[in-house]
Amino acid sequence: GQNIDQPTEMTATEGAIVQINCTYQTSGFNGLFWYQQHAGEAPTFLSYNVLDGLEEKGRFSSFLSRSKGYSYLLLKELQMKDSASYLCAVEDSNYQLIWGAGTKLIIKP
Amino acid sequence: IAGITQAPTSQILAAGRRMTLRCTQDMRHNAMYWYRQDLGLGLRLIHYSNTAGTTGKGEVPDGYSVSRANTDDFPLTLASAVPSQTSVYFCASSDSGTSGWGTDTQYFGPGTRLTVL
Repeated sequence: GQNIDQPTEMTATEGAIVQINCTYQTSGFNGLFWYQQHAGEAPTFLSYNVLDGLEEKGRFSSFLSRSKGYSYLLLKELQMKDSASYLCAVEDSNYQLIWGAGTKLIIKP
Repeated sequence: IAGITQAPTSQILAAGRRMTLRCTQDMRHNAMYWYRQDLGLGLRLIHYSNTAGTTGKGEVPDGYSVSRANTDDFPLTLASAVPSQTSVYFCASSDSGTSGWGTDTQYFGPGTRLTVL
């Protein structure tokens, strides 16, 4: 079956750096997405990786290793507004997104 | 309208009743999707549509139906609601859908919180 694994919850301190990992086993691979979801709101797009390596976008970076079935989202200079759930999703061979359950990130002052 | 809108925002429904959740997008995206989100689980695809006039089944289609009469609208109908359909429902859209062409990034509506008693 298809499976996306992420930690359920992580805690970090304001101003610090946090890495959220995602491992996947899917039937085919056409790209990996990270979304941010604040409580009670819709998911919003953060990043997309289809080739191995690091994609940097401001304070957020996303890394992909296709051979290892692994990705991480790196958040730098954490701010209180970064408290949210972070969703990892893989686009499978049918171009459908398979979603992880999400990682709830708690930022402490 | 900017982006995707959903209605209603929330609804409490008696079991056995029929309910239609509405979704409208103004981005002229080809593809639209319906997901449900339950605590502890990832978003699960209910139905999708790659283009107006076509629909497909996702991971959890039972008890739900959809139609895509035009590009902008993609309503989701629960013919006879059951308590297990209590969930938050998100509509999303993207350029390409499962055709594999174009931009796959999905953009989400604000969601409908549905409670079936």
